[in-house]
Amino acid sequence: DQQVKQNSPSLSVQEGRISILNCDYTNSMFDYFLWYKKYPAEGPTFLISISSIKDKNEDGRFTVFLNKSAKHLSLHIVPSQPGDSAVYFCAASDSGAGSYQLTFGKGTKLSVIP
Amino acid sequence: DTGVSQDPRHKITKRGQNVTFRCDPISEHNRLYWYRQTLGQGPEFLTYFQNEAQLEKSRLLSDRFSAERPKGSFSTLEIQRTEQGDSAMYLCASSLEEYGYTFGSGTRLTVV
Repeated sequence: DQQVKQNSPSLSVQEGRISILNCDYTNSMFDYFLWYKKYPAEGPTFLISISSIKDKNEDGRFTVFLNKSAKHLSLHIVPSQPGDSAVYFCAASDSGAGSYQLTFGKGTKLSVIP
Repeated sequence: DTGVSQDPRHKITKRGQNVTFRCDPISEHNRLYWYRQTLGQGPEFLTYFQNEAQLEKSRLLSDRFSAERPKGSFSTLEIQRTEQGDSAMYLCASSLEEYGYTFGSGTRLTVV
């Protein structure tokens, strides 16, 4: 049973346009959410996070939106750049569990076309 | 270099052999994690150390797997009697704060 789902395996976007990556979760105990970016042959790199007490967090070109009632979050990248081409992973955590372990989705491969 | 270092980067082994991977975390980080990533999947949690204490293990970590973090510094992950299903990328991460993970580049294991 997948507790974090990224239903789009891939996404292609024109340079300069908005990229929207989606993520759904099923575990209502999750209260902290993160997005990671991964290039081939490298480990995941942290991008942005959001606590369940917020519904939006912004950092430069990256914004994460959280809809707790729908158990849905999304990552917006505006404007998209060719260097953003990578696999993006959504991750969730139950901060009350103590270990701060992450449950990841399967990832979405973003291709930004020049 | 202040990142998380993993060694080796690649390991090819025959089924039934034992393998050991090493992770050197960022020196001041007291938390250390091991994750496993198979093709087409996201990373899956294996185990967690706070300093030298192994505080949590996933049910994915069968009795063929053992992890240590002596003296709260580097960590090793050993797989005994490897099986083809163990082929994966093994990722180590360390953190000081709750979610301040820094991942290493991983060790890619291929069991033939």
